[in-house]
Amino acid sequence: AQSVTQPDIHITVSEGASLELRCNYSYGATPYLFWYVQSPGQGLQLLLKYFSGDTLVQGIKGFEAEFKRSQSSFNLRKPSVHWSDAAEYFCALTRSNDYKLSFGAGTTVTVRA
Amino acid sequence: DADVTQTPRNRITKTGKRIMLECSQTKGHDRMYWYRQDPGLGLRLIYYSFDVKDINKGEISDGYSVSRQAQAKFSLSLESAIPNQTALYFCATSDFGDQETQYFGPGTRLLVL
Repeated sequence: AQSVTQPDIHITVSEGASLELRCNYSYGATPYLFWYVQSPGQGLQLLLKYFSGDTLVQGIKGFEAEFKRSQSSFNLRKPSVHWSDAAEYFCALTRSNDYKLSFGAGTTVTVRA
Repeated sequence: DADVTQTPRNRITKTGKRIMLECSQTKGHDRMYWYRQDPGLGLRLIYYSFDVKDINKGEISDGYSVSRQAQAKFSLSLESAIPNQTALYFCATSDFGDQETQYFGPGTRLLVL
């Protein structure tokens, strides 16, 4: 069975500081991994995805994520957060040619001035 | 205009009432999905459809039904709403050629009293 764990329920970060959100997965083969963001009152927007190749993936809004097979992790990072980055972030997993997305429980990010 | 739209955006109903949530997409995708989001649980799949004549249950389909009226339209019905169906509901789409990547609508917030 596949599963996704986001260990941090809530993170508070100062504007301009760096941000790292953790995502760990459990899956027996090579996963397809995603990060989505849900801003207040909005739907889920795809930030980035990893299918294969370069393990450092660049996404929209200045985010990047690194796939580490040895640690079963796909952590999301941003070097300098903006107040508009306050949102809930979801890590998700699937496999090749599969429709079923398994989501983590989400991490809420608060940005303080 | 948004590629995936959902109506209504917010709805309050009473226990026992029938309610329908609607989803439309202009992305031209053949695959459509309904999820519900509950705090601390991430998103869980209710139903999915790979084309107009194909409907499949997800992990939490009890108490729900769906209708795929056209390639672009996928409706979710609660035949007799109950309070524990209070949640945020998302519609999503994906394309056959990239089915792993799903695109989400803005969500419908449903409150069952």
